[in-house]
Amino acid sequence: AQSVTQLGSHVSVSEGALVLLRCNYSSSVPPYLFWYVQYPNQGLQLLLKYTSAATLVKGINGFEAEFKKSETSFHLTKPSAHMSDAAEYFCAVSAPGGSQGNLIFGKGTKLSVKP
Amino acid sequence: KAGVTQTPRYLIKTRGQQVTLSCSPISGHRSVSWYQQTPGQGLQFLFEYFSETQRNKGNFPGRFSGRQFSNSRSEMNVSTLELGDSALYLCASRGGRGGGTTNEKLFFGSGTQLSVL
Repeated sequence: AQSVTQLGSHVSVSEGALVLLRCNYSSSVPPYLFWYVQYPNQGLQLLLKYTSAATLVKGINGFEAEFKKSETSFHLTKPSAHMSDAAEYFCAVSAPGGSQGNLIFGKGTKLSVKP
Repeated sequence: KAGVTQTPRYLIKTRGQQVTLSCSPISGHRSVSWYQQTPGQGLQFLFEYFSETQRNKGNFPGRFSGRQFSNSRSEMNVSTLELGDSALYLCASRGGRGGGTTNEKLFFGSGTQLSVL
């Protein structure tokens, strides 16, 4: 069965430091890959999406992610963290069959940003 | 453009009762998906509807059901509630043109927080 693994349930960085959130997926065929962010008491907001058009995907709020097929990874990065980036981040992959309404999510990584 | 609207925002029920949650998708969106979010299991897919038809179903018992109306609004129902059904239930919508395109985005509502006592 397809799965998504996010390494580290909690990540803490200082303001201005690099943000790196790790995501690995299990799939023999490159699927659609997503990163979502969830702020407290809110739903999920799409940060970026990989659709095979380019391996480096740029998203909103300065985030980007690189698809590496050989490593089955899709890590999320941001060069300089802001306090407003504190939230929970979810990596997701489309389920077999390709429907983008049926996503398999990782367990999430809570990002804390220290002043 | 209004976002995905879920009602109610909070709900408290007791074991054995049933509950109905409502979701109004973004205007023009024809596909609605439902997810359950819990601290232990994370986000899990429940089902997806497109043009009033269930297209996909997750691995949940038959107590969980849903439907979609002709105006694309959707409801999900949970019967015979159990303590483990306490969760945030999220609805998401997308355009769903022709069953889905690579450029579609999934928009989430803020969810309904269900507590089962």
